[in-house]
Order: sequence, then structure tokens, then C-alpha cells
Amino acid sequence: QSALTQPASVSGSPGQSITISCTGTSSDVGSYNLVSWYQQHPGKAPKLMIYEVSKRPSGVSNRFSGSKSGNTASLTISGLQAEDEADYYCCSYAGSSTYYVFGTGTKVTVL
Amino acid sequence: QVQLQESGPGLVKPSETLSLTCAVSGYSISSGYYWGWIRQPPGKGLEWIGSIYHSGSTYYNPSLKSRVTISVDTSKNQFSLKLSSVTAADTAVYYCARLFPANGFQDPWGQGTLVTVSS
Repeated sequence: QSALTQPASVSGSPGQSITISCTGTSSDVGSYNLVSWYQQHPGKAPKLMIYEVSKRPSGVSNRFSGSKSGNTASLTISGLQAEDEADYYCCSYAGSSTYYVFGTGTKVTVL
Repeated sequence: QVQLQESGPGLVKPSETLSLTCAVSGYSISSGYYWGWIRQPPGKGLEWIGSIYHSGSTYYNPSLKSRVTISVDTSKNQFSLKLSSVTAADTAVYYCARLFPANGFQDPWGQGTLVTVSS
């Protein structure tokens, strides 16, 4: 099972919106609405930002939103802030043989 | 508030077995939920290793299944990871986390512990 494909880097200016894509296959992203997104600052553990494609855990800013179309999921950060600069990983359930597969990761830079 | 903390040797020799423990506080493992391990090689992405239900049922990444054992000790409120026949490719930060399989996510995560495989 290969990792989900994400762009290596995405950048934007403060206040702008950016979107990170996460492309899988019909065996993972395309088959289940069980895509989650994690934010990871350097030297820190990943933090859950989105689950079940578009749901936000309590305490996560509504500037973060998720969606899915076919085999590709997306994370949008609106009103970009300096604190959003981090690595972001998607994750999808991939069935009862593989279970979970993570994305390759995207470094978000706030210009 | 659930908190997880990994512990174990930071250096393991090639061909030996890596052993880590995750202590859970703020929640009794015997009450339910799934618990799992994820790793991240230096400068690289995340890889799901496997998980265990409080009853002992286990689920492993097929690519690691032949070398991985995850177990739970409800009396100590902790669960453990053993990875055998390690090589330099197993050098990584190892995280433990609580899993929500029905919702497809892991939360919260432990702070992570770096394990280096080297002679």
C-alpha cells in the first residue's frame, strides 16, 4: 500500500487561503469517508485538525476545513496565520487488510 | 484528559528487538478504545504500525506484520510495541496514540520517542 500523495510544499501570505490536496486510490480515499488531517510543528507530535473528511474536533479553528472528491481529499486553511506554518499530513482508512495509510506530508510556509 | 507517554531504550543494535511502552493516564484502557503505534523516520512522513483493542485483538500494517507484536497490560494501564530484527531503516520517532476506528482517526498522541538503530 503506497502512501497518499500530497504536494511537498504550499505557501501563502497572511490572510490568504491555501488548499492542500491528498490523492489516494479507490481502495482508500475513494472508498471511505474516513480521511483525517494532522498538523505537526517541528519537534512536536501530530495534532488532529479534521476527521471524517470535514469534521473539526473541539478547539480547532473554523479556519480549517476539509472536503473530498473521488480519490482526492483536500484541506483548506483560510485566513492564513503565522502559527499555521507547519507540516500537514492526511490519513485514510484503507480497509481491513491495510487499515491506515498516511500522506507524504506538506510543508506549509507563511510568507 | 487522556495523556500518553512513550518510554524505552533510545538505542537498539541491528538484528535485535525494539521494545517500547506507552503509559496511559486519564483513562482506563480496560474501559475500551483502540490503542496504537505510529512512527516517523527523521525528516520523513508518518507510518501506521498497528493497533490493539483493550480485549487484546491486534491489527498490524501488512508490511511490518511479520516483525511486530503489540500487547496490552490493563493492570498497569499501558500497552507495548515489540519490533524484531531491526535495521537502520527502523530508526524513527515512535508515537503511541488512541485510535477511533469508526471515525478513522488517532487522538491524542504521545510526545514521541526517538529510537536509533545502530551498532
